[in-house]
Amino acid sequence: DTAVSQTPKYLVTQMGNDKSIKCEQNLGHDTMYWYKQDSKKFLKIMFSYNNKELIINETVPNRFSPKSPDKAHLNLHINSLELGDSAVYFCASSFGRTTEAFFGQGTRLTVV
Amino acid sequence: DAKTTQPNSMESNEEEPVHLPCNHSTISGTDYIHWYRQLPSQGPEYVIHGLTSNVNNRMASLAIAEDRKSSTLILHRATLRDAAVYYCILLRTQGGSEKLVFGKGTKLTVNP
Repeated sequence: DTAVSQTPKYLVTQMGNDKSIKCEQNLGHDTMYWYKQDSKKFLKIMFSYNNKELIINETVPNRFSPKSPDKAHLNLHINSLELGDSAVYFCASSFGRTTEAFFGQGTRLTVV
Repeated sequence: DAKTTQPNSMESNEEEPVHLPCNHSTISGTDYIHWYRQLPSQGPEYVIHGLTSNVNNRMASLAIAEDRKSSTLILHRATLRDAAVYYCILLRTQGGSEKLVFGKGTKLTVNP
């Protein structure tokens, strides 16, 4: 069983479109995250949710909106996609605090 | 965010030990030292973490300096599968808003 799963794995779309990436974890964790890894391989946190409540929002444009319907899911909606949004997006989960985080396999988003 | 300094790259031979250094001179008393690694085309993977004492697990050992301003991740017998980017991260407990802040990491090459 995959601990943290993301769908889709690849996403190619045109500028201006709206798209969503889904994330689910079956570990019973109460904290979930979205990270972005750009072309230079730099990993940066975007959002953190704890028990469906937004905890961290790292100055991400309003076009990005995370939604957490329950503790096991954290989806990422992106409106009006831009070329600069092309990256690999990773979802992760943990029990927060100092415990280990588990990452998904990533979603490679390409905006053309 | 607490900063860490790591060499950009290191090289090792298969079945030899590898010592990956990390400097974190601005570490505070509540910062945990976490290590993650990212294999090619995969999401980051937890390796080990510690606070003050040295730690061992099935993947690696973590040696923490007495003043906590540096640490070393030790892979006892490197395998080809250990070729990855290794990240040393300080995780500050902030009442629920803890986040993993990734730096550039050390790219480990393992030679057969």
